[in-house]
Amino acid sequence: EPEVTQTPSHQVTQMGQEVILRCVPISNHLYFYWYRQILGQKVEFLVSFYNNEISEKSEIFDDQFSVERPDGSNFTLKIRSTKLEDSAMYFCASSEERVETQYFGPGTRLLVL
Amino acid sequence: QQQVKQSPQSLIVQKGGISIINCAYENTAFDYFPWYQQFPGKGPALLIAIRPDVSEKKEGRFTISFNKSAKQFSLHIMDSQPGDSATYFCAAGGTSYGKLTFGQGTILTVHP
Repeated sequence: EPEVTQTPSHQVTQMGQEVILRCVPISNHLYFYWYRQILGQKVEFLVSFYNNEISEKSEIFDDQFSVERPDGSNFTLKIRSTKLEDSAMYFCASSEERVETQYFGPGTRLLVL
Repeated sequence: QQQVKQSPQSLIVQKGGISIINCAYENTAFDYFPWYQQFPGKGPALLIAIRPDVSEKKEGRFTISFNKSAKQFSLHIMDSQPGDSATYFCAAGGTSYGKLTFGQGTILTVHP
């Protein structure tokens, strides 16, 4: 069964450093998303991406965040200058249609020290 | 208006019992209501989803009940098993909102 994959599974970084989280969505999917989950809390939407551009973003997704689909398979989330409060689990998701099942990857656990 | 409120925060059920988790939403533009199951260290996995044109959807031991007028929906897990022990999230999305808005989550523990 096709699945969303994410790398790395864990990332430890120093505050102020840049990190890039990588995702490979399901191959025939057209809509891509990043969510985050702070430990013990709910899953929060960050950004959605369609047709090579951001279609929606939350207030969390400020100027330090960016997304890119550099090729036909990868979808990345870049955090330019990490803060302590960026420590969370980051999930990539993809869906075939806009209002359809979103399939989530296993997540990247980011720890900012 | 975008919030989805979920209760209870935690639930303990005996094996074979019925687990019931409730959610309420405010935004009437939502028209897609999935439930996700999450095991520790894993991503959320879709369990079952419903659209507001039906009041109930059943898949195996899992049933969603939907009350459009009350803006509420619930997940019922029949014959709960220890393997069902996980965190369950309700969510809402829709044509106007490609993103999903999640509830706070319910930690379900099923005792053998």
